[in-house]
Amino acid sequence: EAEVAQSPRYKITEKSQAVAFWCDPISGHATLYWYRQILGQGPELLVQFQDESVVDDSQLPKDRFSAERLKGVDSTLKIQPAELGDSAMYLCASSLQGAGANVLTFGAGSRLTVL
Amino acid sequence: TQLLEQSPQFLSIQEGENLTVYCNSSSVFSSLQWYRQEPGEGPVLLVTVVTGGEVKKLKRLTFQFGDARKDSSLHITAAQPGDTGLYLCAGRGAGNMLTFGGGTRLMVKP
Repeated sequence: EAEVAQSPRYKITEKSQAVAFWCDPISGHATLYWYRQILGQGPELLVQFQDESVVDDSQLPKDRFSAERLKGVDSTLKIQPAELGDSAMYLCASSLQGAGANVLTFGAGSRLTVL
Repeated sequence: TQLLEQSPQFLSIQEGENLTVYCNSSSVFSSLQWYRQEPGEGPVLLVTVVTGGEVKKLKRLTFQFGDARKDSSLHITAAQPGDTGLYLCAGRGAGNMLTFGGGTRLMVKP
């Protein structure tokens, strides 16, 4: 069964350091999402890509967060510098376009702890 | 901002009991989804409802979309320990964006 791959699964870093997360969506899925999920809460959308273009990044803290999907396939989410409040699970999801756009498949996530 | 409120936030029950989880909003959604998330994993889609008043069943789980498409409920009959997890509702609203509720954490004790 096709999966959304994410790495690393776990990352511990000190505040002010840089951290990066990688996501490889299901093959053929044009839409890619990055969500942040704080422990005990629901996921919040950080950025949505359609192919290589950003569709929505209104909730992305652009002073420290950046995301790219240069070739419209895999994607990287970067945080620099990391702050204590960034500790969370970072989830990547992908979906088809059109009629399949409503079915999101999530990866297992990357859990970040900032010390 | 479209908010989805889930209740209860936490629920601990014995195996065999029935339960209902609620998802409410003041906004209208074109569709609403329910996900289950286990610790250390990503959410997994359970169901999508799109029509006001729609009822869908998935084995012991019954999902209902409110007539006005502003709320939804998830009913589990004869809960089992394997039902333990975080249940998330998510509505697709203005701008076709998917907004998640805060989740209901369910624990079913054997």
